Amino acid sequence: DAGITQSPRHKVTETGTPVTLRCHQTENHRYMYWYRQDPGHGLRLIHYSYGVKDTDKGEVSDGYSVSRSKTEDFLLTLESATSSQTSVYFCAITDDRNQPQHFGDGTRLSIL
Amino acid sequence: DAKTTQPNSMESNEEEPVHLPCNHSTISGTDYIHWYRQLPSQGPEYVIHGLTSNVNNRMASLAIAEDRKSSTLILHRATLRDAAVYYCILRGFNAGGTSYGKLTFGQGTILTVHP
Repeated sequence: DAGITQSPRHKVTETGTPVTLRCHQTENHRYMYWYRQDPGHGLRLIHYSYGVKDTDKGEVSDGYSVSRSKTEDFLLTLESATSSQTSVYFCAITDDRNQPQHFGDGTRLSIL
Repeated sequence: DAKTTQPNSMESNEEEPVHLPCNHSTISGTDYIHWYRQLPSQGPEYVIHGLTSNVNNRMASLAIAEDRKSSTLILHRATLRDAAVYYCILRGFNAGGTSYGKLTFGQGTILTVHP
């Protein structure tokens, strides 16, 4: 299995608080992605990174920011969490954008 | 992105073969057919992918129609561990530029395996 660790695995927080989710990889892969999964929507891309300090928006990026200061870590931040951001968040990695992506086990985030 | 159509659900018995269909009538010439599956409470897992020819790996086989408008994922002997949601995804080949290899997941097929 690809070495991907997401933390925390579960989090409950209140509306308006900042939240940071971490994706850590030990594969030295260039590309990293953040997806969210909600009932009725499947997985949707939030942000992605194609190298250290190189990031771009996906299809549902509003309300989220990301940072990648080193190859192994990709952080997803909710500056001011809202209830609509309650979801399961998955990180994925790949060494080549045409090759399969490998996913972490997800972070279940509940915003009350 | 080109769209795929899969049945909402399928059932199988353990140790029997399973054929999971996917229709993709608007597929373009550079679209690869990818299959992922998601077991309960886990992230998606890559299964197999192909372009034109049938493909085999340790997990499954992928049969692609000659006109590429449909494909079938074949699990040769289903086990209880194969119970999952199976996603058929079209993914264009990105030779360069700023495209980022996005995967677009649909609703998939829920596979139930009976003992």
